[in-house]
Amino acid sequence: EAEVAQSPRYKITEKSQAVAFWCDPISGHATLYWYRQILGQGPELLVQFQDESVVDDSQLPKDRFSAERLKGVDSTLKIQPAELGDSAMYLCASSPNRGREQYFGPGTRLTVT
Amino acid sequence: AQKVTQAQTEISVVEKEDVTLDCVYETRDTTYYLFWYKQPPSGELVFLIRRNSFDEQNEISGRYSWNFQKSTSSFNFTITASQVVDSAVYFCALSAPMDSSYKLIFGSGTRLLVRP
Repeated sequence: EAEVAQSPRYKITEKSQAVAFWCDPISGHATLYWYRQILGQGPELLVQFQDESVVDDSQLPKDRFSAERLKGVDSTLKIQPAELGDSAMYLCASSPNRGREQYFGPGTRLTVT
Repeated sequence: AQKVTQAQTEISVVEKEDVTLDCVYETRDTTYYLFWYKQPPSGELVFLIRRNSFDEQNEISGRYSWNFQKSTSSFNFTITASQVVDSAVYFCALSAPMDSSYKLIFGSGTRLLVRP
């Protein structure tokens, strides 16, 4: 069964350092999402891609976060510089198209010290 | 504004009991989708069900069933004869075509503990 792949699974970094997360969606899925989940809360969307184009990045802190999906397949989310408040689970999801069910990867648990 | 409310923060039941998880949503869109996801301790969100706003039929899948009522803006989830493996956090979510996004708006989750 096809799955969304994410790496790394865990990341510990010091504040002010740069960190990057990678996501490989299910093959053929046009829509890719990055969510952030703070402990005890539901996930919240950071950025959404339709193929290689950004559809929604209204909640992405653009002064420190960036995301790309250059060839419309895999995607990278970067934080620079990391802050203590960025400690969270970063989840990638993909969907055949907007409005369809989203399938999530295992997530990257980030701890900023 | 889009909003999902899961008023039950945590539920504890004994194995084999039935349990219902409540979900209430708010949206002005006439077309929307409702979802349930399971998040076990491993952290990965597992898709359980997607319903569209035009289909109010209840759905059953094994021990799982869902009750969608537009009149009360609710989409409740029942687990029959609960098992220890059902222990997880369950999220209800809403998706609607605001700004062409269809992003998922999640509730705060209900933690279900099934005791042996």
